[in-house]
Amino acid sequence: ETGVTQSPTHLIKTRGQQVTLRCSSQSGHNTVSWYQQALGQGPQFIFQYYREEENGRGNFPPRFSGLQFPNYSSELNVNALELDDSALYLCASSYRQGRELFFGSGTQLSVL
Amino acid sequence: GNSVTQMEGPVTLSEEAFLTINCTYTATGYPSLFWYVQYPGEGLQLLLKATKADDKGSNKGFEATYRKETTSFHLEKGSVQVSDSAVYFCALTNNAGGTSYGKLTFGQGTILTVHP
Repeated sequence: ETGVTQSPTHLIKTRGQQVTLRCSSQSGHNTVSWYQQALGQGPQFIFQYYREEENGRGNFPPRFSGLQFPNYSSELNVNALELDDSALYLCASSYRQGRELFFGSGTQLSVL
Repeated sequence: GNSVTQMEGPVTLSEEAFLTINCTYTATGYPSLFWYVQYPGEGLQLLLKATKADDKGSNKGFEATYRKETTSFHLEKGSVQVSDSAVYFCALTNNAGGTSYGKLTFGQGTILTVHP
């Protein structure tokens, strides 16, 4: 059984640029959530996708957006990057809403 | 809203020492409670969970009891090992349904370092 995989593992961008992060869910999982983990902090919920629709959003501005595809893989897009967007971005999947989340290893984004 | 507060860290122990990491929470309804562990360079792994009051979650020698009267979920281990060195996160999720269903609210994390 393949776990949750994220790509890339590391990324460096400059302020104002746009970035796309990718996540492949664990087999059989139809729900994907994204979290932002700033250095020294706990993860913060960004949003959740269930069956290709956004289903719950945390306190993040609209420049954070996402997609979920028919195969349940997902993307996180961030526009107009700011220095404070530098963080570890974690993707988590579950086989349905409210069930145990399985996390990927994350994408470390640095904004210069 | 929901919130989780963990004891300030970091925590440094010698091997075989007793571990307690405190966690208290604020939530509406009847949340489920979790402890996650994060090893260096890795994502989060579920360590244990409890879904209702007085439940005890346990795994790999770690234990935590869901105490509704004190809104706490303290993590304990009787004898830590060097391999337990990691960051530990307490978290909760709301079981009431709606758009927050399945959303985890995390504490700030506690760094544990165990020396031989």
